[in-house]
This record gives sequence, structure tokens and C-alpha cells, in this order.
Amino acid sequence: DARVTQTPRHKVTEMGQEVTMRCQPILGHNTVFWYRQTMMQGLELLAYFRNRAPLDDSGMPKDRFSAEMPDATLATLKIQPSEPRDSAVYFCASGLGIGIIQPQHFGDGTRLSIL
Amino acid sequence: AQKITQTQPGMFVQEKEAVTLDCTYDTSDPSYGLFWYKQPSSGEMIFLIYQGSYDQQNATEGRYSLNFQKARKSANLVISASQLGDSAMYFCAMRGLNTGNQFYFGTGTSLTVIP
Repeated sequence: DARVTQTPRHKVTEMGQEVTMRCQPILGHNTVFWYRQTMMQGLELLAYFRNRAPLDDSGMPKDRFSAEMPDATLATLKIQPSEPRDSAVYFCASGLGIGIIQPQHFGDGTRLSIL
Repeated sequence: AQKITQTQPGMFVQEKEAVTLDCTYDTSDPSYGLFWYKQPSSGEMIFLIYQGSYDQQNATEGRYSLNFQKARKSANLVISASQLGDSAMYFCAMRGLNTGNQFYFGTGTSLTVIP
């Protein structure tokens, strides 16, 4: 089965360090989404792309977060500098951009802990 | 604006019994898709089932069925013959014609299957 691949699965780092999370969407999918999940806030949409173009990143703290798609097989989410409040599970999801009944498919997530 | 409401933070069901997880939605979109995802304790988000707003019949996928009542704006998930492995968080989500690629998620329902 085709899967969304996220790396790393786990990341522990100190406050102030740069964190880069990577996502390989399912081949042929033209939309990519980044979510953050915490106990307090639930699932929050950070940014999404269609055909590699950013469509909405209003959910992302712009001063420290950035999201890019350098090519169709790679999406990245960077945090610089990281803060303890960024500790969360970050999910990438991909899907087809047409058709309202097309679901998103999620990766297994990156569990990020900022000390 | 799109909104998904899941009013049951936690549910319990006896093994082999059926259970219904509630989901109501609000949208002004003429066409939309409704989705359910499962998140077990291991953390991954698993797509379960979808329903198009124009579908006359309720969607079914194995032991999962979606009880779609358009006039009531509800899209409840029914799990038949519950198994211990069904214990998880369940999220309802929606995608609208006019909101393009963005998905809107509910806050989730935690289901515990009791032996």
C-alpha cells in the first residue's frame, strides 16, 4: 500500500535548536498538509500546498515556522528557533486536490519534544 | 464557515456490541465530503470511510457504516461487532466544494471497548 512517509519519527532537542521535519507524499498526490496535534489544542492545520504552491499557512507562527515543497516528492517543515511550546506530534498528510470525496492520508507523525 | 462537532468526548462499548459515534456539521457548501479517521494509541491517523453529500445511500466499509442524515447535518459512524482493537480516538472531518482542499476536523471521540 502507498503511504505517506515522515521522518524523523521522534525528535528530542534543546530549546533554540533548528528542527526540520520531512514528508514524502504518496506518489501522484498533489496536495500536502501539515498538522500539529496536542492534547490541549487537538489537531491544528499549520499549512497546506497544492501542486507545490503554498495555499494557506495562516495557522503557522511565521516568525519561527516555515514550510516548503522543494519538489513533488518532498515537503519540509522547519522550526527555528524551537521552543518548549512547540512540543507536539506533527503530521503530514497528502491527497488528491480534486473531488470532494478524496480523503487525506496521514503519515505516522513526528513526535517532537523541545527541552 | 465550516464546523464539525463531536459531542461525545468518551464512549464505552461492550465487545461484540455495536456503537454509534456522533458527528454533526455546519456548512454553506452545496457539495461536501464527510470522513472518519481512527487514531489508535500508537498515534497514526487511519482513514476509515467517506460519504459524499450527494450520495443517496449510506457508505459502508466492512464493520464501519456512516449514518448520513443530510437534513439533520449529521454523519454518525456506526461500528458493528466491536473488537478490542477498535479502542481508539475517532475523528470526523469534512471537505467542502468551496473550501477546496482544506479539511475541517472535529475534536474527536475516545472509544473504549470493554472485554
